[in-house]
Amino acid sequence: GQQLNQSPQSMFIQEGEDVSMNCTSSSIFNTWLWYKQDPGEGPVLLIALYKAGELTSNGRLTAQFGITRKDSFLNISASIPSDVGIYFCAGAGTDKLIFGTGTRLQVFP
Amino acid sequence: GAVVSQHPSRVICKSGTSVKIECRSLDFQATTMFWYRQFPKQSLMLMATSNEGSKATYEQGVEKDKFLINHASLTLSTLTVTSAHPEDSSFYICSAEIPGNSYEQYFGPGTRLTVT
Repeated sequence: GQQLNQSPQSMFIQEGEDVSMNCTSSSIFNTWLWYKQDPGEGPVLLIALYKAGELTSNGRLTAQFGITRKDSFLNISASIPSDVGIYFCAGAGTDKLIFGTGTRLQVFP
Repeated sequence: GAVVSQHPSRVICKSGTSVKIECRSLDFQATTMFWYRQFPKQSLMLMATSNEGSKATYEQGVEKDKFLINHASLTLSTLTVTSAHPEDSSFYICSAEIPGNSYEQYFGPGTRLTVT
């Protein structure tokens, strides 16, 4: 099925660094969602975006809905060890979510 | 709020047997639930959309007779893997959508199925 392209595929950073990842699509979406998945667990919703250009924060996380409605990015500031996991973007289609390929984040102390 | 549970969290079964996985929305009513499958180091693959009181909608390539879905109430959907084979071993995750809440899906913790 269709998937959104996420980059980078993986990141290895030091604790305290800022992180940026993005998600691109060939299709327009009206809603973008960002999830985090820990090993062996289900994804947890981090941020939901509903309007083109919208910038939304959730603690150290900030996400933006691209103005073209074909992309979105997620920033994490001052990373900590518990930020480790896989981050997925998802675009809301007519009746289901289309997930990105995921960005695997490793944080070293 | 928006808590979704799954049971069991892990199951090991023998080839040829059937396994039922339950998905419950604990603090909201969900007219629509979704079932996903996830292979190691891969993204989530939607298997089917489960609609309360009606038949599930399966994605292309997913066998509806093998993966039986029942959504008999507003808080419970079940996935039954019939005549399981080792290639059915995977991580199965359900999600539920809060009605009218702009496509936000809340996921269960997943079920690890191992078929021997």
